[in-house]
Amino acid sequence: QVQLQESGPGLVKPSETLSLTCNVSGGSFSSYYYHWIRQPPGKGLEWIGYSSYTGRSNYSPSLKSRVTISVDTAKNQFSLRLTSVTAADTAIYYCAREVIGYCDSPGCLKTYNWFDPWGQGSLVTVSS
Amino acid sequence: DIQMTQSPSSLSAGVGDRVTITCRASQNISRYLNWYQQKAGKSPKVLTYAASTLQSGVPSRFSGSGSGTDFTLTISSLQPEDFATYFCQQSYSTPYSFGQGTILEIK
Repeated sequence: QVQLQESGPGLVKPSETLSLTCNVSGGSFSSYYYHWIRQPPGKGLEWIGYSSYTGRSNYSPSLKSRVTISVDTAKNQFSLRLTSVTAADTAIYYCAREVIGYCDSPGCLKTYNWFDPWGQGSLVTVSS
Repeated sequence: DIQMTQSPSSLSAGVGDRVTITCRASQNISRYLNWYQQKAGKSPKVLTYAASTLQSGVPSRFSGSGSGTDFTLTISSLQPEDFATYFCQQSYSTPYSFGQGTILEIK
């Protein structure tokens, strides 16, 4: 079955750029949306944004000015860049695939979608 | 943006108990509501999607219900492996958002 695996530095200095990559294996890479979600230690989940396999992206307004999510279809990978990090960006960063589900209304204005699977998570600490 | 509010924040229950967790959206999200389970040190796993559809492989003691702004996740008979944190998530519109989580602890 499909598996996602994050990789990247576990320590980033304040004001620098956080970069993570998610490798997708065991299934088709196309026809999905790929997301980054983070969780500060002991806290809740925050959606960061997504890129489609065609490269169309959408970001959280609170992070939009600092975030870039890109895909590399040749490598079955997608990446996160977060610039000008501070201690508030310390978190476990998860990559996740968005399953495009089904419609149950005439005309299908919007499908039911959900995140599955998730990567195991990558802890990134921002500290000098 | 859509705010998701879960209650309670934490809950103590025993094996065999019936447990209900509530999630409220700040606006009508129809049935675009997913529930996830997160065990300590692990990534979240989807339990139900579209408010009430059980993900393949998830035990039938889990069930979801609701539409509009009010949703519930019910575990009919708690098992030892169910003690975890549960999150709701709206997929109605971006920015996608999660509830703050409900920690389910052993009594």
